[in-house]
Amino acid sequence: ETGVTQTPRHLVMGMTNKKSLKCEQHLGHNAMYWYKQSAKKPLELMFVYNFKEQTENNSVPSRFSPECPNSSHLFLHLHTLQPEDSALYLCASSRTGLGNEQFFGPGTRLTVL
Amino acid sequence: DAKTTQPNSMESNEEEPVHLPCNHSTISGTDYIHWYRQLPSQGPEYVIHGLTSNVNNRMASLAIAEDRKSSTLILHRATLRDAAVYYCILRDGQGGSEKLVFGKGTKLTVNP
Repeated sequence: ETGVTQTPRHLVMGMTNKKSLKCEQHLGHNAMYWYKQSAKKPLELMFVYNFKEQTENNSVPSRFSPECPNSSHLFLHLHTLQPEDSALYLCASSRTGLGNEQFFGPGTRLTVL
Repeated sequence: DAKTTQPNSMESNEEEPVHLPCNHSTISGTDYIHWYRQLPSQGPEYVIHGLTSNVNNRMASLAIAEDRKSSTLILHRATLRDAAVYYCILRDGQGGSEKLVFGKGTKLTVNP
C-alpha cells in the first residue's frame, strides 16, 4: 500500500470521448505529479503541482488538462486523444523539498481506440 | 538534466548479492543520486539516494565513487521479489526542481 491511489485502473476510450483520471494521496504531501509511460519508452514527466499550483508543464499537448483542487487530489482530464496517447499514466506525490522521495500510484492503463 | 548510463539488463541468482552500476560522468556538485525500481505491473518505488557518502537502508546500499562519476546500487541478498527495472536518476539540488528524469534503467532478472 503506497498511500497513492488511482482510478480507474484501466480505461478504454474513443478519440472523441472525454474522460478523467483521478489520483488521491493520504500521505500529507503537498507536491503531486503526472507521468506517462509508453511501451518501450522511459517514464516521462508531464505535470508538477506544488501546493495546488502548477509548477511544471513538460510541453504536454492541450488535449491533456490537469487539475489540482487541493493537495490530496489530482485529476487529468482527457479529450480528443489519439491512439499514440495509449500508455500507463502514473501519479506520484511527495513532500516539497529536495531529496524527498516520490510515492507512486499503481497507474491507469489507458487505451485509445 | 545530467544523464546516467546503465546496462540494459542484468541477471542474478537468488540469495546472492547484486551490484547494479550507474555512470554519471557529467554530474554536478549539487546533483543527488537517486535510485528507484519498478516491479512488474506497478508504479516505481523509491529505493535509496545519496550525495557524496555511501548510504545504507533496509532495502539496499548505495556506493558512490570518490569522484562521483559513478555509483553502484547493492542488493545484499537478491530475492525473486527484487526482479524489477532499476532506475538511476540525478536530481538537481539547486533551483527547487522536483522532477525525476527517468532513463531506460536496468532490468534485473533473479533466477531461483
